[in-house]
Amino acid sequence: AQSVAQPEDQVNVAEGNPLTVKCTYSVSGNPYLFWYVQYPNRGLQFLLKYITGDNLVKGSYGFEAEFNKSQTSFHLKKPSALVSDSALYFCAVRDNSNYQLIWGAGTKLIIKP
Amino acid sequence: EAQVTQNPRYLITVTGKKLTVTCSQNMNHEYMSWYRQDPGLGLRQIYYSMNVEVTDKGDVPEGYKVSRKEKRNFPLILESPSPNQTSLYFCASSPGDYLTGELFFGEGSRLTVL
Repeated sequence: AQSVAQPEDQVNVAEGNPLTVKCTYSVSGNPYLFWYVQYPNRGLQFLLKYITGDNLVKGSYGFEAEFNKSQTSFHLKKPSALVSDSALYFCAVRDNSNYQLIWGAGTKLIIKP
Repeated sequence: EAQVTQNPRYLITVTGKKLTVTCSQNMNHEYMSWYRQDPGLGLRQIYYSMNVEVTDKGDVPEGYKVSRKEKRNFPLILESPSPNQTSLYFCASSPGDYLTGELFFGEGSRLTVL
């Protein structure tokens, strides 16, 4: 079955430290992978995507994600966290049978000053 | 400004009273979709539309209807709302119909059914 797992409900990081939000996936065919961010009382915003090419993808707000085919992972990273990065982060993979997105349950990222 | 607009943003209603949540996008996108967001369950797709006059069920279509009579609009209809439809609803659109590009989301509509 095709699926996305975000194993951590919440991640706590001190401001200035590197952060990682984890995502693993299971999909038939080539993976099309996405990260979105949701700030309080707002809609989701696109951060970055992996379609093909370099395994390290750079996106908005200084975020990047590393695609690892052997581990079927697509972890979101940032070298130095900001308090303003505190939000809910969603990983998604495209279901190649119907071209719809399969969403992870979301990870709440809390950056403490 | 490129955007997806949902209305109403907040609504409290009673069981059985028909309501419509409107969604409009000004980016000429082919693809549109409705999601509901509930705590601990992430986003669940209700219906989607690859283009005008084409709609398909998502994961949780029961109790909902949609229509896509024109490209820019994709209203969500609750014919007889029930309390289990209390949720935060998002409309989204995307260029093309194979979802290789990003989804653009509306600001959300918080619905409470008493």
